[in-house]
Amino acid sequence: DQQVKQNSPSLSVQEGRISILNCDYTNSMFDYFLWYKKYPAEGPTFLISISSIKDKNEDGRFTVFLNKSAKHLSLHIVPSQPGDSAVYFCAASAEGLSGGSEKLVFGKGTKLTVNP
Amino acid sequence: DVKVTQSSRYLVKRTGEKVFLECVQDMDHENMFWYRQDPGLGLRLIYFSYDVKMKEKGDIPEGYSVSREKKERFSLILESASTNQTSMYLCASRAGDQPQHFGDGTRLSIL
Repeated sequence: DQQVKQNSPSLSVQEGRISILNCDYTNSMFDYFLWYKKYPAEGPTFLISISSIKDKNEDGRFTVFLNKSAKHLSLHIVPSQPGDSAVYFCAASAEGLSGGSEKLVFGKGTKLTVNP
Repeated sequence: DVKVTQSSRYLVKRTGEKVFLECVQDMDHENMFWYRQDPGLGLRLIYFSYDVKMKEKGDIPEGYSVSREKKERFSLILESASTNQTSMYLCASRAGDQPQHFGDGTRLSIL
């Protein structure tokens, strides 16, 4: 029973273009969502988050969109850079508005490759 | 900056051995977590702890135990290592409503 789904195992884009990574969830109790980036041989690093009271959050080149009715969120990276090449994990929690709560449920990840 | 340190980057052990993975954080965080990451499976929660001497099972606790005697240290124990426990193990910590911060991981191979 996979509650957080990243259906694209990999994505390849050209430098300077937009990268769009998608994530779907099934548990309607999830109210806080995060994206982590992971380079090989390193731990995941927090990228950006969004609570269910918002539908968009922006931080520099990174924007996360949340569509609650569709139980779908996406991460947009504009413009994409070669250094963005990594595995991106979507994660969700269902513990109220105290974000980063005790239990995060992760997707399986999407490997992004940005070609120069 | 939050620092989560895992004692070993790479570890090779034999089947049946008792294995200890150590994790230390330097930010007085209440919550600490152990995950394993496997190709095609993402990160799966093994155990977490929200206070000293407190622990909660995650999604895949079988074959593992944990210890949290001090706030800064959270240990993962493989009681009798098996080959299906070969994996990347990741420790994380969190305080308040902040996101979880991860260590760099321990790649454990069980032969």
